[in-house]
Order: sequence, then structure tokens, then C-alpha cells
Amino acid sequence: GAVVSQHPSWVICKSGTSVKIECRSLDFQATTMFWYRQFPKQSLMLMATSNEGSKATYEQGVEKDKFLINHASLTLSTLTVTSAHPEDSSFYICSARKDRFNEKLFFGSGTQLSVL
Amino acid sequence: DAKTTQPNSMESNEEEPVHLPCNHSTISGTDYIHWYRQLPSQGPEYVIHGLTSNVNNRMASLAIAEDRKSSTLILHRATLRDAAVYYCILRGPSNFGNEKLTFGTGTRLTIIP
Repeated sequence: GAVVSQHPSWVICKSGTSVKIECRSLDFQATTMFWYRQFPKQSLMLMATSNEGSKATYEQGVEKDKFLINHASLTLSTLTVTSAHPEDSSFYICSARKDRFNEKLFFGSGTQLSVL
Repeated sequence: DAKTTQPNSMESNEEEPVHLPCNHSTISGTDYIHWYRQLPSQGPEYVIHGLTSNVNNRMASLAIAEDRKSSTLILHRATLRDAAVYYCILRGPSNFGNEKLTFGTGTRLTIIP
């Protein structure tokens, strides 16, 4: 089956630093990837839709200058949390679809970000 | 997106069938019914999806009411590895640009050994 790899699995950083999270589709090309955030005991919240070769589309209330998304190739999207603060500590999850006619979404294993 | 309603939690004994309900009374005619599950500390995993007819795969079965206002995910023989949060999600046809999945609160399924 299709695999989406997310790296790192967890990261601890100091407040004010930036953190980059990578999402790769290992055996398929993904023109669109999605980034979610999940706080403890809560559901997933869609942050943005990442489109290869164009600007990401952010959901309402998500700061595009704080959460930088780059989708430079058909197999890689990155999310950079800039100037991270403790309130950005969360579980970040990416997902991708094989093609626009495939109903399934494949998810990465998530990245636990802890900002001290 | 049309809203779904699921029980917050359910329990089931190991090796018994589990029926997870989902109400979606405002479903539109083109909405697909998707089920995903999320094991602890992992990303969600696709389980099954359907439109009108009941669907079966190796993981589960999806029973869809005739009026499509409700559906039931059926795990035929629960194991401890099925303990997860199960999400029932509605989404329009993917080839018409409806690519986003909007997650609700889901049902936390506990399997009792």
C-alpha cells in the first residue's frame, strides 16, 4: 500500500527557534498534501492544503507566516513552524492522496513538537 | 461540510463484533461516507468508504441506511489492536475538488480482553 513518511517523529526545541517537518510520499506522487494539527485529547484540525508548485491554501485562523509550507516536488512537502512558542506544542500530521480520483488519504505517522 | 454525530466512546469485548454508529442526517446526494481510525500516537488510517451500497473489505464492513442518513462501521471480530478513535467523515466526490477531510470528535473504542 501507499506510504507517507513523516520526519522527525518527535522534536523538542527552545522557544523562538524554527522547526521543519518533512512529509514524503514514498511510492507515489502527490500533487496535494494536507497538514493537520492535533492537541491532546482533541480531534485533528486541518491547517493547510499544500499544492505542488504553488502556494499553500491555509484554513481560517492559521497564520501563513508562522506555518510556512513548501511543496517543491511531487513527493515532498515541508512544514516549518517559525519562531515556535510553547502554545505551538502539538502533534502535527501530514497526509496525501495518490491521485484526484483516489478517495483514500494516506497519513504520516505524525510529529510530536514540544516547545520549551 | 455536512456534520456527523458519533458516540464519544464505546466498549466491546475482544473477539466479538463491534458496531460503530454514525448519524449524518444532512448528507447530500454526492457525499461519500468515509471511516478512518487513529491508534494512539499515530496518524489516522483509512478503514473504508462508501456511497450508497454496503461495502466490505478486509478490515471492516460499512452498512449504509437506505436513506443514507446513518451508517454503521462493523468490525467483525474485534482484537486489542482495534482499540482506536474511529472517525466517520462525509466528503464530496474527490474528483470535483473536494479533497479535504474534516475530522469530528470520533468514537473512542475500547476493547476489553
